Amino acid sequence: ETGVTQTPRHLVMGMTNKKSLKCEQHLGHNAMYWYKQSAKKPLELMFVYSLEERVENNSVPSRFSPECPNSSHLFLHLHTLQPEDSALYLCASSQETGTPTDTQYFGPGTRLTVL
Amino acid sequence: GQNIDQPTEMTATEGAIVQINCTYQTSGFNGLFWYQQHAGEAPTFLSYNVLDGLEEKGRFSSFLSRSKGYSYLLLKELQMKDSASYLCAACDSNYQLIWGAGTKLIIKP
Repeated sequence: ETGVTQTPRHLVMGMTNKKSLKCEQHLGHNAMYWYKQSAKKPLELMFVYSLEERVENNSVPSRFSPECPNSSHLFLHLHTLQPEDSALYLCASSQETGTPTDTQYFGPGTRLTVL
Repeated sequence: GQNIDQPTEMTATEGAIVQINCTYQTSGFNGLFWYQQHAGEAPTFLSYNVLDGLEEKGRFSSFLSRSKGYSYLLLKELQMKDSASYLCAACDSNYQLIWGAGTKLIIKP
């Protein structure tokens, strides 16, 4: 148990569906992250939030839309996804951003399958 | 470009020692992380090195050579529960983590 929870753990959706992934951290951290993890590929950073402000958006397609209503919660809204978006989506948090020693704590991920 | 290289898969025997290597090329360098990820679970932090040398933490040790752009994770007295993927990540000048694809370690009895 890392103090970061994600729901749902598994999600199957069609290309026309709209769904949302939820992440919650119980660590009192100020920064939260969304990553995409595909088989045998490096983790891809998608979005970074610091104190509810987006500070990084790594050229992610607009069909992925993040939302950070407060420093404990992070959402990833999904719509009109493609089959190649099937992957494990990991949420992480850290005390701050911009410091090298800030360890990131990860949630267990949402396994997304797009049909 | 920025790049992290680590072996895709390694196999070792229970009770033995294994060394997982990682080489990195980044724009600037602010340290190197190792994470462990069991199948279907969250990656968990193992170590952080920013200075050259070896840091020991129980059965696990991590080594860094900044001049060579090289790190390794050393696991001693291997146990079956050590079967997992080990992720190497270098922190660049923008404090962004550049990740390797992970090394899947298989432990055999």
